[in-house]
Amino acid sequence: DVKVTQSSRYLVKRTGEKVFLECVQDMDHENMFWYRQDPGLGLRLIYFSYDVKMKEKGDIPEGYSVSREKKERFSLILESASTNQTSMYLCASSLRDRGYYNEQFFGPGTRLTVL
Amino acid sequence: AQTVTQSQPEMSVQEAETVTLSCTYDTSESDYYLFWYKQPPSRQMILVIRQEAYKQQNATENRFSVNFQKAAKSFSLKISDSQLGDAAMYFCAYRSDIIQGAQKLVFGQGTRLTINP
Repeated sequence: DVKVTQSSRYLVKRTGEKVFLECVQDMDHENMFWYRQDPGLGLRLIYFSYDVKMKEKGDIPEGYSVSREKKERFSLILESASTNQTSMYLCASSLRDRGYYNEQFFGPGTRLTVL
Repeated sequence: AQTVTQSQPEMSVQEAETVTLSCTYDTSESDYYLFWYKQPPSRQMILVIRQEAYKQQNATENRFSVNFQKAAKSFSLKISDSQLGDAAMYFCAYRSDIIQGAQKLVFGQGTRLTINP
């Protein structure tokens, strides 16, 4: 079974803190993604990576950065957390394959609260 | 850019009945994939069903089936014989059929499905 794990299920931080969210997958997937999930907005893509050290901006990258030093690990960084970054953060991974059977596998999510 | 719209924020159904969740999308592409994902309360998101745009036949997975209308850009999910375990947030998603890159998903807003015993 594909396993995508995230470092924390719940996280509480203060405004201005630097926050690291870690994601690890164990299926040798090339692609990794970070989404934020907000009620009524669905999932919105923050950043993605299709190879080690490669990263591309998604739809809402402002206030975030990412790091992918190893294939299995993809980190999301909030340089200076703000209250409007309070959200559920989901990590996902997939093969680098355009085919029908390529699907994204999701982690359990990290619910981040910024006070 | 592609967009996905789920116009039903919440739906409810009696156990053992059938329910249909709606999804529409906007794209200028001819080849793409569509997905329905399920997110149970406090549990991980999982894939329910997928559809290739060039296949006219609607996908079916056990009690889950889709009604894919390419011209109308509509992709609804039908759940037959609803069970308590079907209660979840359901997301419709779109993926372009591209060669390079990471094959991103574009998600709809989600529909929260409640099953009444």
